[in-house]
Amino acid sequence: EAGVAQSPRYKIIEKRQSVAFWCNPISGHATLYWYQQILGQGPKLLIQFQNNGVVDDSQLPKDRFSAERLKGVDSTLKIQPAKLEDSAVYLCASSLEKAQPQHFGDGTRLSIL
Amino acid sequence: SQQGEEDPQALSIQEGENATMNCSYKTSINNLQWYRQNSGRGLVHLILIRSNEREKHSGRLRVTLDTSKKSSSLLITASRAADTASYFCATDYDYKLSFGAGTTVTVRA
Repeated sequence: EAGVAQSPRYKIIEKRQSVAFWCNPISGHATLYWYQQILGQGPKLLIQFQNNGVVDDSQLPKDRFSAERLKGVDSTLKIQPAKLEDSAVYLCASSLEKAQPQHFGDGTRLSIL
Repeated sequence: SQQGEEDPQALSIQEGENATMNCSYKTSINNLQWYRQNSGRGLVHLILIRSNEREKHSGRLRVTLDTSKKSSSLLITASRAADTASYFCATDYDYKLSFGAGTTVTVRA
């Protein structure tokens, strides 16, 4: 089966600019996750979707981050405006259902200048 | 905040040796999972152990769980160069995973 696809792989922007990341989960996976992984740390959950509804966004900085999952398939994560502390790898994952093992994409490495 | 804490932070072993890493956590869990991450790649699921299980095996991997001590261990036997990676424990509570900071394992040829 095809894995979780993410694009772009790398992005460099200046602070206060905006950026968007795209994720295509494994076909048939109902649950989709976005994580932020800062260098040297484990992934931190930003938002979790079940089909196209938000299950948990308690750790999403909603003043600058937004995410949507259209038609319960692809998802986009946006940051506007970016801050220096947003430099990280943004990982997308999906699972058949919640509480199932998660399958991760290779992430987007974001650098803020 | 990250619930799991792995120990040690880094581990260097010779090919063929065993590697053991530990994970401690603070709250109740439904299950505990271990993931591997190669440099520049996403995480790969290795094994899931439920809160009512004490030990689980998968190939060269052995995971134990002690809920009374809120701790887990991952043993990789007969390590290979390809096992060089970061290993993360993740606790599942209320269908959400909380990851630790990971153990970086280097296997020397």
